[in-house]
Amino acid sequence: KAGVTQTPRYLIKTRGQQVTLSCSPISGHRSVSWYQQTPGQGLQFLFEYFSETQRNKGNFPGRFSGRQFSNSRSEMNVSTLELGDSALYLCASSPQGLAEAFFGQGTRLTVV
Amino acid sequence: GQQVMQIPQYQHVQEGEDFTTYCNSSTTLSNIQWYKQRPGGHPVFLIQLVKSGEVKKQKRLTFQFGEAKKNSSLHITATQTTDVGTYFCAPSNFGNEKLTFGTGTRLTIIP
Repeated sequence: KAGVTQTPRYLIKTRGQQVTLSCSPISGHRSVSWYQQTPGQGLQFLFEYFSETQRNKGNFPGRFSGRQFSNSRSEMNVSTLELGDSALYLCASSPQGLAEAFFGQGTRLTVV
Repeated sequence: GQQVMQIPQYQHVQEGEDFTTYCNSSTTLSNIQWYKQRPGGHPVFLIQLVKSGEVKKQKRLTFQFGEAKKNSSLHITATQTTDVGTYFCAPSNFGNEKLTFGTGTRLTIIP
């Protein structure tokens, strides 16, 4: 069974640009959650999608958005990038929201 | 809202010593999960605790859920270099499908 796949693995963007990250969950998993991980703030919850609907949202500005497609694949978008958005973005999938979460390898975003 | 403290933030132990990390919540939890993240890796699920007072063991790892379901601990006996990493608790509240994580405890082993 293939694991959670995140693309790209690494990204370098310039302040003010926007970025789209992709996550393909494990087949059959309908819940996809996104997290931002930084050395100082740990694992911060961004949002969770289930069957194409955003069920939960963390405390991030509106520049952070996401969506989920009918095949459960998910994307997150960050607009008007700031230096502080540099982080590892992790996606996790599960059959449902609070079951065991399976993480992808993450996308390392660097904003310069 | 729920506030979760995970302590200690860092722990350095000699190989062979024991290690414990604690997760404390201000509210009653429905369940709690534990994850391990190796350096440069991604979090990997270890276990889920659901019942009050529950104790589960995985080889050298012992997980406990408090009687009041407000705290949990992970204890590693006789640490090995393979135990290096950051251990996160992920508590859940009733009616909230959001899986959030504690601040983590980073374990380093001195050979």
